[in-house]
Amino acid sequence: QQQVKQSPQSLIVQKGGISIINCAYENTAFDYFPWYQQFPGKGPALLIAIRPDVSEKKEGRFTISFNKSAKQFSLHIMDSQPGDSATYFCAASLDTGRRALTFGSGTRLQVQP
Amino acid sequence: GAGVSQSPRYKVTKRGQDVALRCDPISGHVSLYWYRQALGQGPEFLTYFNYEAQQDKSGLPNDRFSAERPEGSISTLTIQRTEQRDSAMYRCASSLRTDSGNTIYFGEGSWLTVV
Repeated sequence: QQQVKQSPQSLIVQKGGISIINCAYENTAFDYFPWYQQFPGKGPALLIAIRPDVSEKKEGRFTISFNKSAKQFSLHIMDSQPGDSATYFCAASLDTGRRALTFGSGTRLQVQP
Repeated sequence: GAGVSQSPRYKVTKRGQDVALRCDPISGHVSLYWYRQALGQGPEFLTYFNYEAQQDKSGLPNDRFSAERPEGSISTLTIQRTEQRDSAMYRCASSLRTDSGNTIYFGEGSWLTVV
């Protein structure tokens, strides 16, 4: 019930391309879905987040698409840049009870120049 | 401080020894979280506090692990009788409020190696 499944494990994209990372969850009580970006040697940092009452949220080149009926959400990085090369984690949390984030296993993105 | 501060950054200990990992959250942050992150994996929840109260410790692997936050600020994660399987990055995080949707800020972690 607490699991969040993330794919792909790794992704190579050319500069200027679109990077897409997918996550699926099981617990319908999850009500907050953030994406975190982690550079080597650093802690994860919040990139963008969405609530289940909207289907899409865009911030600059980053967009979250959310499909409540399918219990899936995805991160799209438009015009991918070499500086976007990092590990990306999706996560989810409950509104009540355990409010700590449950993370996916991560996607290592490499954007080639 | 400006960010979540953890110490030590690196700790090598012999199997069977006790270790204490310290976390100093962002000033004024109510919630404090401990996670464990294996290489190439996402952070795994261990426990969290609101103020000084431990709200959830269901992620602690066994009774060798404990955490405290006695004054609602600095927290210590203690691992007793360490085992090699305890080797991992231990990350602390904090958030300003307790409700879900609050941005959680992570520290740079304490890397524990048990030999």
